[in-house]
Amino acid sequence: QKEVEQNSGPLSVPEGAIASLNCTYSDRGSQSFFWYRQYSGKSPELIMFIYSNGDKEDGRFTAQLNKASQYVSLLIRDSQPSDSATYLCAVIGSSNTGKLIFGQGTTLQVKP
Amino acid sequence: GAGVSQSPSNKVTEKGKDVELRCDPISGHTALYWYRQSLGQGLEFLIYFQGNSAPDKSGLPSDRFSAERTGGSVSTLTIQRTQQEDSAVYLCASSSQGGVGYTFGSGTRLTVV
Repeated sequence: QKEVEQNSGPLSVPEGAIASLNCTYSDRGSQSFFWYRQYSGKSPELIMFIYSNGDKEDGRFTAQLNKASQYVSLLIRDSQPSDSATYLCAVIGSSNTGKLIFGQGTTLQVKP
Repeated sequence: GAGVSQSPSNKVTEKGKDVELRCDPISGHTALYWYRQSLGQGLEFLIYFQGNSAPDKSGLPSDRFSAERTGGSVSTLTIQRTQQEDSAVYLCASSSQGGVGYTFGSGTRLTVV
């Protein structure tokens, strides 16, 4: 079992729709959760982080965390073609050393 | 510097040669990380430096890989006797004490021919 799992996609949504990206993790003691966006040929950039159960909203982005289910998700409202990218879920495990463990990423395609 | 700087941006090397990849983190960032990303894959952790602590080398794939960080700043990742499977983008990132997440450099694309 991988430490952080994501569906590789591609996930295709029409412009203006809600895109839902999902991630599960195996280390029940994990405390910190991050979403990075990576455009093709570019480096990952941090877009959201969440530490507590529940929802965290930032503009069109909402991160959701459910520690009991070991599940974290990212919702993108009013999806735009510019949101087309690979979204990487990352977790700091129970060792809490600061080391991020990344999932394989989900490719999102937003079609005009 | 303003961002994480990596050099070279591209490196083509012959199988069996040694290569050195350089990372200059954001000034004041105490933590430095190396990851690699093969085509279409996620990020694979390689090594992590935090201040003056012993580095976490648990992700290095073989003893051909080594890294050092001098003066708590610049880091060099060395790959000896390169193999074709070493071809990937090598990403460096840094973070500050108590900071959130990492800032990544633009990466070094290594191609072993």
